Amino acid sequence: DSGVTQTPKHLITATGQRVTLRCSPRSGDLSVYWYQQSLDQGLQFLIQYYNGEERAKGNILERFSAQQFPDLHSELNLSSLELGDSALYFCASSEYTGNTEAFFGQGTRLTVV
Amino acid sequence: GENVEQHPSTLSVQEGDSAVIKCTYSDSASNYFPWYKQELGKRPQLIIDIRSNVGEKKDQRIAVTLNKTAKHFSLHITETQPEDSAVYFCAASPGNQFYFGTGTSLTVIP
Repeated sequence: DSGVTQTPKHLITATGQRVTLRCSPRSGDLSVYWYQQSLDQGLQFLIQYYNGEERAKGNILERFSAQQFPDLHSELNLSSLELGDSALYFCASSEYTGNTEAFFGQGTRLTVV
Repeated sequence: GENVEQHPSTLSVQEGDSAVIKCTYSDSASNYFPWYKQELGKRPQLIIDIRSNVGEKKDQRIAVTLNKTAKHFSLHITETQPEDSAVYFCAASPGNQFYFGTGTSLTVIP
């Protein structure tokens, strides 16, 4: 157990819908990162938050947004879902930014039908 | 920004042989290089990491080497076992986010 909790574990939804993925980082970790992993693909960086503020942005679509709350949990919002958004979404957390170990959650498997 | 390339994309070895995975990076500011192992359907887990002030680090059958001048780092697994079969990701961090390689699928044949 990495200490990073993601909910839900599985999500099946229809095209055009909106979903929210939730991540609780390890106790004491200030940074949260979101990654998308499509089938047999690598880890595509979406966005990073540090202590409530957006720190870095990757290849995140405009239909996607995220935030980190005062209690440091984070949510990733995906809207106007398309079939191609089906993927495993990972959240990771680290104590600071970047050059300390990042711990991954178990991921949320999103299936868009 | 940083660009991390990883080779090979797939690797098959006989049990007991060694496996080597290589990564290159582009940003000379990168100073932290973790390696993650991801088993099928599971989360990536850190197996070893190295910082830019160190050239080599070992942990039992796993070692990582770093050449800052050439901007490349490698993962070495000796005496491979079937449970080493997984996808391995390298990453580089210049201090903010992590930039991941595309992964190497390692198969250890019993």
